[in-house]
Amino acid sequence: DAGVIQSPRHEVTEMGQEVTLRCKPISGHDYLFWYRQTMMRGLELLIYFNNNVPIDDSGMPEDRFSAKMPNASFSTLKIQPSEPRDSAVYFCASSLEPGRGETQYFGPGTRLLVL
Amino acid sequence: AQKVTQAQTEISVVEKEDVTLDCVYETRDTTYYLFWYKQPPSGELVFLIRRNSFDEQNEISGRYSWNFQKSTSSFNFTITASQVVDSAVYFCALSEDTDKLIFGTGTRLQVFP
Repeated sequence: DAGVIQSPRHEVTEMGQEVTLRCKPISGHDYLFWYRQTMMRGLELLIYFNNNVPIDDSGMPEDRFSAKMPNASFSTLKIQPSEPRDSAVYFCASSLEPGRGETQYFGPGTRLLVL
Repeated sequence: AQKVTQAQTEISVVEKEDVTLDCVYETRDTTYYLFWYKQPPSGELVFLIRRNSFDEQNEISGRYSWNFQKSTSSFNFTITASQVVDSAVYFCALSEDTDKLIFGTGTRLQVFP
């Protein structure tokens, strides 16, 4: 079975531009998570969905960030406008029932560089 | 509050040495789950193992072994006869009966030939 798929794998953009990151979770997984990883802050949970509904977006840094999950097989994380401090690796993960200890499986990540 | 501490920021060993990565956790729940993930230089996060709080049996998988001790709130990871391919950042993580996973800060392991 395919794992979590993310695209693009690398993104270089200029400050002020809109960036859209994409994720396809593992089929059958009801939960989808977006994380950001930086050297300074480590792994941070940005937002997560259950059955396509956002459950907790308290980790979203500011209004420039938004996430959607229009269906069970696709989610986007959008940054508009992007800033250099958004440079990071963004991971998507999916899981069955994390509240019952089910494993979160991570995608390969999108390495974002904002110039 | 839940918390995961990986006190070792970086460890360097020579190939074939055994190495133990420490993980100490804090939780007030009686039901919780512990995980280890590996992040090789290529950047992906690879799941290694999951343990629930009711199963204190140690686990061995090839050269990897895990020691779970509730008495000391530790879930340590040992690599026997380390290899260069083991070089990576290793993360310990904890979840209680919520959907969230709390990660430690990671331990960077460098294995030199």
